[in-house]
Amino acid sequence: QVQLVQSGAEVKKPGASVKVSCKASGYTFTGFYIHWVRQAPGQGLEWMGWVVPNSGVTNYAQKFQGWVTMTRDTSISTAYLELSRVTSDDTAVYYCARGDPIMDLDYWGQGTLLIVSS
Amino acid sequence: EIVLTQSPGTLSLSPGERATLSCRASQSVSSTYFAWYQQKPGQAPRLLIYGTSSRATGIPDRFSGSGSGTDFTLTISRLEPEDFAVYYCQQYGTSPLTFGQGTRLEIK
Repeated sequence: QVQLVQSGAEVKKPGASVKVSCKASGYTFTGFYIHWVRQAPGQGLEWMGWVVPNSGVTNYAQKFQGWVTMTRDTSISTAYLELSRVTSDDTAVYYCARGDPIMDLDYWGQGTLLIVSS
Repeated sequence: EIVLTQSPGTLSLSPGERATLSCRASQSVSSTYFAWYQQKPGQAPRLLIYGTSSRATGIPDRFSGSGSGTDFTLTISRLEPEDFAVYYCQQYGTSPLTFGQGTRLEIK
């Protein structure tokens, strides 16, 4: 069965960097995009961007360009989200999701909580 | 970017009743690339409907989607206790992908 398993919660100080992982199993990793979506406490869903596992091509929402990096390691079927220079506004749950060209975000990871606090 | 506005913000209904959730887009959206998600507290969102009206795998037939252009609707024909959650609409035909702000469906 398709599964996306994310790394554990992180606590970071403002200005730090953080890298979240998303390990895929149960399907051909290179066949589907990986999207990242975040959700601040008590708020809605915010799309951050996607990475194409086959090529490494990325597409970021404008808000995240320049300080967010999405990568992948096809040898271990894992996608990564790296945030640099985090602030308290980045406190959120970060989700990875598989992007199907027809069904869109059909499988989701369990989420990774990032807390940014001094 | 395409802004999606959901209404109502909160919907209070009883089990067995019919729920109608609306989503309006700031510009026309391809019906091929419109989806609805359900999210329960502490859980990741779950895909309910894609392509405006196609149910995702395992989604019961009491959930249905409709609409075109700028107006889309999610209908739950007969509410079950497990249906009380937050629902988000989303368009995925134009980058950036965007979500509505959510409709909270609560037990009356």
